[in-house]
Amino acid sequence: SQTIHQWPATLVQPVGSPLSLECTVEGTSNPNLYWYRQAAGRGLQLLFYSVGIGQISSEVPQNLSASRPQDRQFILSSKKLLLSDSGFYLCAWSVNARAATYGYTFGSGTRLTVV
Amino acid sequence: AQKITQTQPGMFVQEKEAVTLDCTYDTSDQSYGLFWYKQPSSGEMIFLIYQGSYDEQNATEGRYSLNFQKARKSANLVISASQLGDSAMYFCAMRGRGSTLGRLYFGRGTQLTVWP
Repeated sequence: SQTIHQWPATLVQPVGSPLSLECTVEGTSNPNLYWYRQAAGRGLQLLFYSVGIGQISSEVPQNLSASRPQDRQFILSSKKLLLSDSGFYLCAWSVNARAATYGYTFGSGTRLTVV
Repeated sequence: AQKITQTQPGMFVQEKEAVTLDCTYDTSDQSYGLFWYKQPSSGEMIFLIYQGSYDEQNATEGRYSLNFQKARKSANLVISASQLGDSAMYFCAMRGRGSTLGRLYFGRGTQLTVWP
């Protein structure tokens, strides 16, 4: 069966420090991968998505970047964190197919606080 | 473009009662899927139920059912016999068949509170 791992679960980082959040998927190949951010009490904002190794698309220009060095690995990074980067970050995967029947499976999320 | 609208920021229901969470959508795709997710305070996103645009019957999963009205472009979630553990944020989402990106479009969510 497919599983998705996301870590760390919580993170407190000072302003200006770097960031690296990692997400890995098991039990499937060539998944679509997504990074979302959720501000407190708010909806989901799509940050990045990837349909293959090295293929990254950005939805919102910002202080963050993403990389997909391996088929089932998706990394969210920042060189210098801002206070506004605080939030709850969710990684998700879906089947890479032209079909409407596949939803997302989400990781457990990372709660990032920039201080 | 795909758009999901959840007009209820918050809903309250008493334990053991039924509650309906509203969701309307807009799409030009003929084939699409509708999803509901639950997000408790822990933050994890839990898949609840799926409805395909060509499904003739409303989807049901235990206490969850989806009231799908295609002509009105609505996909309301019905939770029967509410439990305290149902208190959470609920998101409606849609995926169109035309997108190989598989992107889900989410509504802004409805915060459900169940009281004893």
